[in-house]
Amino acid sequence: DGGITQSPKYLFRKEGQNVTLSCEQNLNHDAMYWYRQDPGQGLRLIYYSQIVNDFQKGDIAEGYSVSREKKESFPLTVTSAQKNPTAFYLCASSSVPGQPQHFGDGTRLSIL
Amino acid sequence: AQSVTQLDSQVPVFEEAPVELRCNYSSSVSVYLFWYVQYPNQGLQLLLKYLSGSTLVKGINGFEAEFNKSQTSFHLRKPSVHISDTAEYFCAVILYNTDKLIFGTGTRLQVFP
Repeated sequence: DGGITQSPKYLFRKEGQNVTLSCEQNLNHDAMYWYRQDPGQGLRLIYYSQIVNDFQKGDIAEGYSVSREKKESFPLTVTSAQKNPTAFYLCASSSVPGQPQHFGDGTRLSIL
Repeated sequence: AQSVTQLDSQVPVFEEAPVELRCNYSSSVSVYLFWYVQYPNQGLQLLLKYLSGSTLVKGINGFEAEFNKSQTSFHLRKPSVHISDTAEYFCAVILYNTDKLIFGTGTRLQVFP
């Protein structure tokens, strides 16, 4: 079955450490997205990519970085510059603009 | 600026009762509208969508929603809920010809036996 795989499901970060969240899709979708979810705030867009080797900042990109070297993969790095990284991170993909986005099962990041 | 408002943060309801989850949006251009459901510690699953055509949209799990352009609303309804419908529900819009989803803050539906 096609879908989006996020790993790990749970991740812990020490102060000053960078961590990378994995997102892989086998839906052959061109566009991929990263969202951050905090209680009571809905989902906020961090970064998105329409095609390989190209990506744009979303609404809350500070303290995060991404790469898109392959169509299937869109990893997110949470850097030490992100002062409040504790959240649930969701990856999504879509085939064309205006089409619904498919979501992975998320990664929950916590600070040690 | 475009925005999505879900007026109710929590909706408690007894099993087999009807439910309506409200969603209003503000936009100066045409939009596509969506409802998603999120079960605990999982991603979002698409319930239904409105792209064009009939304003009454039927989705999975017995849910339906009606697009009302004059009231800029897209309320979600189910005539009889089950315990398994307990989850967080998100309304979202995409502006026409863009690819950025704008989410509401979510409504937690709690179904009691």
